[in-house]
Amino acid sequence: DGGITQSPKYLFRKEGQNVTLSCEQNLNHDAMYWYRQDPGQGLRLIYYSQIVNDFQKGDIAEGYSVSREKKESFPLTVTSAQKNPTAFYLCASSIRYNEQFFGPGTRLTVL
Amino acid sequence: GENVEQHPSTLSVQEGDSAVIKCTYSDSASNYFPWYKQELGKRPQLIIDIRSNVGEKKDQRIAVTLNKTAKHFSLHITETQPEDSAVYFCAASGPDNFNKFYFGSGTKLNVKP
Repeated sequence: DGGITQSPKYLFRKEGQNVTLSCEQNLNHDAMYWYRQDPGQGLRLIYYSQIVNDFQKGDIAEGYSVSREKKESFPLTVTSAQKNPTAFYLCASSIRYNEQFFGPGTRLTVL
Repeated sequence: GENVEQHPSTLSVQEGDSAVIKCTYSDSASNYFPWYKQELGKRPQLIIDIRSNVGEKKDQRIAVTLNKTAKHFSLHITETQPEDSAVYFCAASGPDNFNKFYFGSGTKLNVKP
């Protein structure tokens, strides 16, 4: 499972707490993405980054924040402003105009 | 922006039969169409993709067809096996949207032994 990794695999958040999900890739890909997947649903784009120090909001960015200080890393912070954060979070990376490779995912649960 | 619709949402077939999943897209500039398979609790994995300069692509039991005029593309799985049971997602991407993928809503395929 090398290439793109996510940690932790499971994460529990208390009400009002910020949590950060890690995503690392060693594929030398410029582009990285964060998706949210709810049970039985498709993939919704939260944020994406085409290059270091630059990122754009996706379709459901409210309550989330990201940074892209290094090419290989794209952490996602789920803030207390995200009222319903329980979901499966997937990180992906790609070379432009080619397939996206997905990490194994982080399952976040609000206690 | 791009809009991808996928049908059916669920599909049940007998082992050995064929399965077909269809997607339509709205942006004529889209030129890359991947298909992903996601097993329960796992990451999506690419199974086949096609670019707009090709009408059909085949890889063993899996094939994808693309009709640019009608703006639709389909996944064909022949001789289905129980291990083909999973959720399948189509996506569309193009040069105007910075390699963002627009995903369909998914098809849950159940292959009955």
